[in-house]
Amino acid sequence: GQQVQQSPASLVLQEGENAELQCNFSTSLNSMQWFYQRPGGSLVSLFYNPSGTKQSGRLTSTTVIKERRSSLHISSSQTTDSGTYLCAMENTGANTGKLTFGHGTILRVHP
Amino acid sequence: NSKVIQTPRYLVKGQGQKAKMRCIPEKGHPVVFWYQQNKNNEFKFLINFQNQEVLQQIDMTEKRFSAECPSNSPCSLEIQSSEAGDSALYLCASSPGLEQYFGPGTRLTVL
Repeated sequence: GQQVQQSPASLVLQEGENAELQCNFSTSLNSMQWFYQRPGGSLVSLFYNPSGTKQSGRLTSTTVIKERRSSLHISSSQTTDSGTYLCAMENTGANTGKLTFGHGTILRVHP
Repeated sequence: NSKVIQTPRYLVKGQGQKAKMRCIPEKGHPVVFWYQQNKNNEFKFLINFQNQEVLQQIDMTEKRFSAECPSNSPCSLEIQSSEAGDSALYLCASSPGLEQYFGPGTRLTVL
């Protein structure tokens, strides 16, 4: 089965609304990252967040290791937030840094 | 954000041809990864290096794919005999040890 499940698969918002993206892991994890993928394909690292809560501007990431989940909260969404958001994990025991990715959440923010 | 350089950005090859792509990791990052993202947005880990040595690679990499990360030269990933199913975005990432930073990718189209 899939080790990393992201939800929702897609999300449509009006500008100014908040978004909550979820990532659930089927195995215990060493580390996890949230990425934003630009339409051209390049990945921008948003958070390296193996546990706890981190904030950067309008973005907040919370990882709860014992519940095997992580969330990305976007407050006051803007049209420029549109794109694909990916979470990825390194599971325990791997020790090579290899990331396993979810399928992503496609976010569209309308003006 | 990321200073990983990948060339070329786009690559078009015929079936059976060799396809070679390069990656310059961020300075001071000893670990380099290659991932493949297919048209269904599924990521597949291919291979990773630490200081020129292979840490882990998957079977397909061992057979038709070759990769190296020589000192003082760009890392490279080469497909010896391209197949239609190899059409994908190839992403290189480098890491100082934990967080991974991705380049813009090489989009390979095999006709």
